Amino acid sequence: EAQVTQNPRYLITVTGKKLTVTCSQNMNHEYMSWYRQDPGLGLRQIYYSMNVEVTDKGDVPEGYKVSRKEKRNFPLILESPSPNQTSLYFCASSFNRQGTGNTIYFGEGSWLTVV
Amino acid sequence: SQKIEQNSEALNIQEGKTATLTCNYTNYSPAYLQWYRQDPGRGPVFLLLIRENEKEKRKERLKVTFDTTLKQSLFHITASQPADSATYLCAPPGRLAFGKGNQVVVIP
Repeated sequence: EAQVTQNPRYLITVTGKKLTVTCSQNMNHEYMSWYRQDPGLGLRQIYYSMNVEVTDKGDVPEGYKVSRKEKRNFPLILESPSPNQTSLYFCASSFNRQGTGNTIYFGEGSWLTVV
Repeated sequence: SQKIEQNSEALNIQEGKTATLTCNYTNYSPAYLQWYRQDPGRGPVFLLLIRENEKEKRKERLKVTFDTTLKQSLFHITASQPADSATYLCAPPGRLAFGKGNQVVVIP
């Protein structure tokens, strides 16, 4: 079954304690992306990756890091989480075929609370 | 800069009527636009894709149009039902950034 899997789904953590949210896809997609969603602000892109070892900033990258060492995994790292990073996070993936229309598949979301 | 804009105000509509949502784009010419549905707390789910050379696309009670002159895509839900209540997002090609989405509330 085609899947984008995020972990953890729910996490409460303290300010400053480094955490990683993992994302894995089993569809051999080149493209992966992280979004955060806050009430009234829609889905805002944090980072995206067009392929292995290729990452780029989205609209709200501050306070986050990513890496793309393998095609299937795209972890989101919060080196020193702060309360303003409390949010619902989504990972997504798709093929990267230019001009053909690439359906985006989303994970189930990770609810993160920083206290 | 390239922009995708949707009216972020909620659209309240009576059951059975047609809901129409707008996605406007500026400063570029996307080869296609995708439309997604998102329910609260869930990831968006793909609905329809329309290419720039297609005037209209349909899927069951959904219809999408693409007007490259107006730089706009319209998304219609005909014979709307309470189960259609959700947020609908449009997404252009490229880095897959989304508009804010349009919330639809269908009133029984």
